[in-house]
Amino acid sequence: EPEVTQTPSHQVTQMGQEVILRCVPISNHLYFYWYRQILGQKVEFLVSFYNNEISEKSEIFDDQFSVERPDGSNFTLKIRSTKLEDSAMYFCASSAGGISGNTIYFGEGSWLTVV
Amino acid sequence: LAKTTQPISMDSYEGQEVNITCSHNNIATNDYITWYQQFPSQGPRFIIQGYKTKVTNEVASLFIPADRKSSTLSLPRVSLSDTAVYYCLVGVSTGGFKTIFGAGTRLFVKA
Repeated sequence: EPEVTQTPSHQVTQMGQEVILRCVPISNHLYFYWYRQILGQKVEFLVSFYNNEISEKSEIFDDQFSVERPDGSNFTLKIRSTKLEDSAMYFCASSAGGISGNTIYFGEGSWLTVV
Repeated sequence: LAKTTQPISMDSYEGQEVNITCSHNNIATNDYITWYQQFPSQGPRFIIQGYKTKVTNEVASLFIPADRKSSTLSLPRVSLSDTAVYYCLVGVSTGGFKTIFGAGTRLFVKA
């Protein structure tokens, strides 16, 4: 079964440092997403991306966050200057279509710890 | 955005059938209902999706009444490994696909 893969599985970074989380979505999917989950809390939507641009973003996705699809297979989330409160599990996801009825498939997540 | 309401937690015993109901009074005409399962430190995993009536796959069944204002996920004969958080999602598209997760239902299966 095709799957979304994410790297790294765990990263520890100093506050103020830049972090890039990488994802390889399912190959024929066109919509890509990032979610995050702070320990013990619910899954929160960050951003959706289609046709090389952001489709929607939440209020969490402020100027310190950016996404990019640098080539035909990778999808990245960059956090420019990490804060302690950015510590969370970050999930990449993808779907074939962008309307309800299209299943979103999630990766296993990247644990980010900011110290 | 269609808001969903689920019980915060449920307990069950191995071998029992578990039914988790989700209410979504403001569901839109084009919205599908999707259920995900999440184990600790793992990504949400798709379980089942439906639009109306009943959908069944190898893992679960989904019952949706005619008014679509609620849905029930049915897990037959649960095992200890079904202990997880279950999320009911109602998808919305506003030019992208902004799916909002609620708090989910923590199912705890006991031996």
